[in-house]
Amino acid sequence: AQTVTQSQPEMSVQEAETVTLSCTYDTSESDYYLFWYKQPPSRQMILVIRQEAYKQQNATENRFSVNFQKAAKSFSLKISDSQLGDAAMYFCAYNRNLRAQKLVFGQGTRLTINP
Amino acid sequence: DAGVIQSPRHEVTEMGQEVTLRCKPISGHDYLFWYRQTMMRGLELLIYFNNNVPIDDSGMPEDRFSAKMPNASFSTLKIQPSEPRDSAVYFCASSSLAVNYGYTFGSGTRLTVV
Repeated sequence: AQTVTQSQPEMSVQEAETVTLSCTYDTSESDYYLFWYKQPPSRQMILVIRQEAYKQQNATENRFSVNFQKAAKSFSLKISDSQLGDAAMYFCAYNRNLRAQKLVFGQGTRLTINP
Repeated sequence: DAGVIQSPRHEVTEMGQEVTLRCKPISGHDYLFWYRQTMMRGLELLIYFNNNVPIDDSGMPEDRFSAKMPNASFSTLKIQPSEPRDSAVYFCASSSLAVNYGYTFGSGTRLTVV
């Protein structure tokens, strides 16, 4: 079974600095999809960024970017110029393929932004 | 589109009572998922539907839990009888192969069983 591991239960960063959240996963598939979701105190789950495994180029969405290392099965999220509104739980998630459509989530990392 | 709509947002009930959680997916989405979130177990997939048909219910904890999707715009998750260990946030999410690869989540229902 596929598993997703986030080894950092908590992280903190100074406002305007850069922080990287780690995620590793286990799969025997060659084609799959990876996601980062943000869950602020409002508890709404918000899609931050996604990466298709067949794409070598790392995905980027404004201040958010990923470092996708397929051989190492690593998928880290970098947040640049951290803002107070970035404070939230961040979940890494894996989807085996579109047909399966099942997301497997990591345990989450709580990110605190220090003003 | 109003997004995925869940109701109620909060539910407090007594042990042994029946609880029904409701979800309206995004129009045109053909997948619907029910997740449960707890501190101890994180986000767990309970069941998901494709075109209103249950595809995988292996995450449903026990017979006290049941889910239905009578049409493309409505789904329910029922717990009968409820127990204190069922206290959690229950999320509904929908997606479509034709739209994107990620889910759109509802705001969740926080269930407290006392």
